[in-house]
Amino acid sequence: DGGITQSPKYLFRKEGQNVTLSCEQNLNHDAMYWYRQDPGQGLRLIYYSQIVNDFQKGDIAEGYSVSREKKESFPLTVTSAQKNPTAFYLCATGGGGDTDTQYFGPGTRLTVL
Amino acid sequence: GQNIDQPTEMTATEGAIVQINCTYQTSGFNGLFWYQQHAGEAPTFLSYNVLDGLEEKGRFSSFLSRSKGYSYLLLKELQMKDSASYICAVKDSNYQLIWGAGTKLIIKP
Repeated sequence: DGGITQSPKYLFRKEGQNVTLSCEQNLNHDAMYWYRQDPGQGLRLIYYSQIVNDFQKGDIAEGYSVSREKKESFPLTVTSAQKNPTAFYLCATGGGGDTDTQYFGPGTRLTVL
Repeated sequence: GQNIDQPTEMTATEGAIVQINCTYQTSGFNGLFWYQQHAGEAPTFLSYNVLDGLEEKGRFSSFLSRSKGYSYLLLKELQMKDSASYICAVKDSNYQLIWGAGTKLIIKP
């Protein structure tokens, strides 16, 4: 069954704790992305990776970290340095080709108490 | 700066037609995307335009005018399940996606 998986769907953490969100894909896509979505705002890019062992900061990378050790996996760590971590986090992959359409996983809703 | 404008909210009646507009000011243009996002879910890809004109996909059509920096998404024969947010996104000269805030479409019976 092809697709993008993110787990868990809902995550609760105490303030000051680091938390890692998983994103796995079996679409064989090279590019992977992490976005954050807050109510009433457009998607904001946190980090992206176009190839294994390489990644770049997006518009709001402060307080986040990523790794890309495997093509299939692009985990995001939300550190205690992120001031407002409560949000809906979306992982996407890039299909490449002429359109390079991005496809999204189901998302993880993180609540920091 | 780069900017995408869409109406915040629209209301339409089941069975009717609705047009959701998107205007953009970006540094370069390499394609425009429309996504649908139901409440609490992830966005799903609807359509892609890179050349001027109309692209039709069943009940949904998307139009692009690059000279005007303008696109619209046309939804026909509206169904209750079409209640969702519709997001316009433009790929700029660096092939980065610039996202609009989305238009919440409310369908009334």
